[in-house]
Amino acid sequence: AQSVTQLGSHVSVSEGALVLLRCNYSSSVPPYLFWYVQYPNQGLQLLLKYTSAATLVKGINGFEAEFKKSETSFHLTKPSAHMSDAAEYFCAVVGSGTYKYIFGTGTRLKVLA
Amino acid sequence: SQTIHQWPATLVQPVGSPLSLECTVEGTSNPNLYWYRQAAGRGLQLLFYSVGIGQISSEVPQNLSASRPQDRQFILSSKKLLLSDSGFYLCAWGPGTGGSQPQHFGDGTRLSIL
Repeated sequence: AQSVTQLGSHVSVSEGALVLLRCNYSSSVPPYLFWYVQYPNQGLQLLLKYTSAATLVKGINGFEAEFKKSETSFHLTKPSAHMSDAAEYFCAVVGSGTYKYIFGTGTRLKVLA
Repeated sequence: SQTIHQWPATLVQPVGSPLSLECTVEGTSNPNLYWYRQAAGRGLQLLFYSVGIGQISSEVPQNLSASRPQDRQFILSSKKLLLSDSGFYLCAWGPGTGGSQPQHFGDGTRLSIL
């Protein structure tokens, strides 16, 4: 079975500061991991994905995430926050050979001017 | 390219009324289709998924049902809505080959029950 834990339902950072959103996963089979962003009243948009090709994954809008098997983590980072990054972020895991994507409860990012 | 359409965008319904939300996908064949509900602060709850026409897996027992009458059409229904059915409903599709590729989401339906 798979599960995802996102630590921190709300995160606030100053504009220009580092963004770090945490995601830890559990999976009984090799996992595939994803980060999504959701703006108010919209669907989820894919930021980046880990599919075992490389442990450091670069995504859109300057975000990246590093897969650390030993820590069962897939934290999302961005060196410098922008006001437009304010949104809700979801981490998701799916097990190899399965069809069910398991989502974390989300982290709402607030960017302070 | 693939696109997913979900409608309506917003819906206000009285308690006890029926529901039908529709989702269609273009530009791909044999997709896996999903219905999620999103409640504030609770993330995405998987309601149903389908790996083929007429094949529906239910994740949460409730008064909702789903159907897949065509390869790229997925419908969420209820005969009698409850107040607890309020929420943001999202349809998604993923490739039929399994989970190595991400899901793609529609724009969602905001359902309010009065």
